[in-house]
Amino acid sequence: NAGVTQTPKFQVLKTGQSMTLQCAQDMNHNSMYWYRQDPGMGLRLIYYSASEGTTDKGEVPNGYNVSRLNKREFSLRLESAAPSQTSVYFCASSEVPEGFNGYTFGSGTRLTVV
Amino acid sequence: QKEVEQNSGPLSVPEGAIASLNCTYSDRVSQSFFWYRQYSGKSPELIMSIYSNGDKEDGRFTAQLNKASQYVSLLIRDSQPSDSATYLCAALDSNYQLIWGAGTKLIIKP
Repeated sequence: NAGVTQTPKFQVLKTGQSMTLQCAQDMNHNSMYWYRQDPGMGLRLIYYSASEGTTDKGEVPNGYNVSRLNKREFSLRLESAAPSQTSVYFCASSEVPEGFNGYTFGSGTRLTVV
Repeated sequence: QKEVEQNSGPLSVPEGAIASLNCTYSDRVSQSFFWYRQYSGKSPELIMSIYSNGDKEDGRFTAQLNKASQYVSLLIRDSQPSDSATYLCAALDSNYQLIWGAGTKLIIKP
């Protein structure tokens, strides 16, 4: 049981480049989330998808787009990377509302924008 | 604004002692609370959840909830160096979104 799988694990981008972070879960969860984590800032929600076919902005959506490709997959796209987007990105999923027991996180993507 | 507050630490505890981690929250609607452990360079992992007032024990971990005081705590008994990590407190809001604290860094000294 893989849980939540994120790719890539590490990435270095030049300012202005674009990239897509991939996330897939095999737990049949309805909801999926993208967070960024910066030192001293805690987890900040970028976008979430409450169910297949829906996406909503979180606390810090500027500079990002998302796609809920199907129930399993939720991708995060940086169209024009900026140094301020250097961070660790986590994807998470959860079952809602029945059976909610917190979020399950992927192992993260460490992104550096130079 | 819904908030979850934690002391950032670091909290330094001798090996074998009890580590006490605290969390307060502002949203009276919150009914469910979660403690996650995050090792350096790793992702958060769920260690405890609590939904009712009082204590909930799981091995060396005890979660405590006081809804009247809007206070949640995590006690770690017989602390081990492997417990050194950042502990994140989260409250579930009415939209099934987790509201996160910034975390408390715990250091267990051998």
